[in-house]
This record gives sequence, structure tokens and C-alpha cells, in this order.
Amino acid sequence: EPEVTQTPSHQVTQMGQEVILRCVPISNHLYFYWYRQILGQKVEFLVSFYNNEISEKSEIFDDQFSVERPDGSNFTLKIRSTKLEDSAMYFCASGDTPGYGYTFGSGTRLTVV
Amino acid sequence: AQSVSQHNHHVILSEAASLELGCNYSYGGTVNLFWYVQYPGQHLQLLLKYFSGDPLVKGIKGFEAEFIKSKFSFNLRKPSVQWSDTAEYFCAVSPTDSWGKLQFGAGTQVVVTP
Repeated sequence: EPEVTQTPSHQVTQMGQEVILRCVPISNHLYFYWYRQILGQKVEFLVSFYNNEISEKSEIFDDQFSVERPDGSNFTLKIRSTKLEDSAMYFCASGDTPGYGYTFGSGTRLTVV
Repeated sequence: AQSVSQHNHHVILSEAASLELGCNYSYGGTVNLFWYVQYPGQHLQLLLKYFSGDPLVKGIKGFEAEFIKSKFSFNLRKPSVQWSDTAEYFCAVSPTDSWGKLQFGAGTQVVVTP
């Protein structure tokens, strides 16, 4: 079964540093998403991406965050100047039709110290 | 305001018992409805989904869910659970006028004891 792959599985970074979380979506999917889950809280939508641009973003997704599809296979989430409260599990997902459910990756646990 | 509420945060039951997890949502427009499961150490997996038609939908691993429009509910059921059903279960809605954004409930941790 096709998978969404995320790397690294765990990243520790110092406050103020930039991190890039990487995702390889399923190859024929066109819609890409990032979610996060702070420990003990709900899974929260961050951003959706289609046709090389952001299609929708949440209030959480401010100027600190950016997404990119640098080539035909990767989908990245960049967090600039990380803060302690950015510590969370970040999930990437991809789908072929919006709103019809999609496949999640196994997540990257980001720890900001 | 849009919201998704799951009734229980933690459920413990024995193997062969029946499971029902409640989910209610609040949204002004049309939504698609989902249940996702997260087994320990694994990623979120789609259990089942409802878009339209028969309000009783069947998913993988013997799960089913019923959409009751008048109650804004989408409850998940399984007649007889197994130890392997131990997992966290998430209800989610996706407004049909969005780009597939999912709004999740808080999740219900289900522990099935042998």
C-alpha cells in the first residue's frame, strides 16, 4: 500500500533555530497538508497546498512557517526561529481529491529546547 | 464556531465487548465525516468516511458508523472488540467548501483488555 514518508522521525533543535521537516507524498496525489499535534491536545490543521501554492492555512500558520514543494516528490515545512511552543508531532498528508480523506505520514516529533 | 466533540477521552473494555464512541460536530455548512485510528507508534489511518447516501457506513476491521443529521452526530461502533483494537480514535469533519481541511476531535483512547 502506498505510504507517505516523513523524515526525520524525531528532531531536537535549539530555540531560535530553523528546522525543515520533510515529507514524500504518494506519487499521484495532488493535494498536500501539514497538521500538528501538541502533546495532549487535538490534531490541528496547519496548511493545505495544491498546484504549487497554499490553498488554505490556519491562524497558526503565520510568517514563521512556510511550505515548499522543491521538486516533484518532496513537500517540506520550514519553521523559522523555533519557539518552545512549536514542540509537537507534525504530520504530513496527501490526497488525490480534497475532502475525501487522505493518507497520513507517521509524523516527525519536533522537540525545541 | 466550528467544533468537533468526542464524548469520551478514555474507554476501557474487555475483549468481545461492544464499542460505541460518540462524535458530535457543529458546522454551518455541509461536511464530510471521518473516523481515523492511531495504533500505538503508528500513523493516523482512515477507518471510514461518510459523504452522502446511506447514513450507515462500514469501514475496515469491522467498524461502522452512523450519521444522524438531526443530531449532528457520527458515532462509531464495533460489535465485538479485540485486544488489537487498542488505539486512539479520532472523529474529524471536512467542510465541503474547503480544500480538504480536517477538523479533528480531541480523540478517544480505547484500551481493550484480554
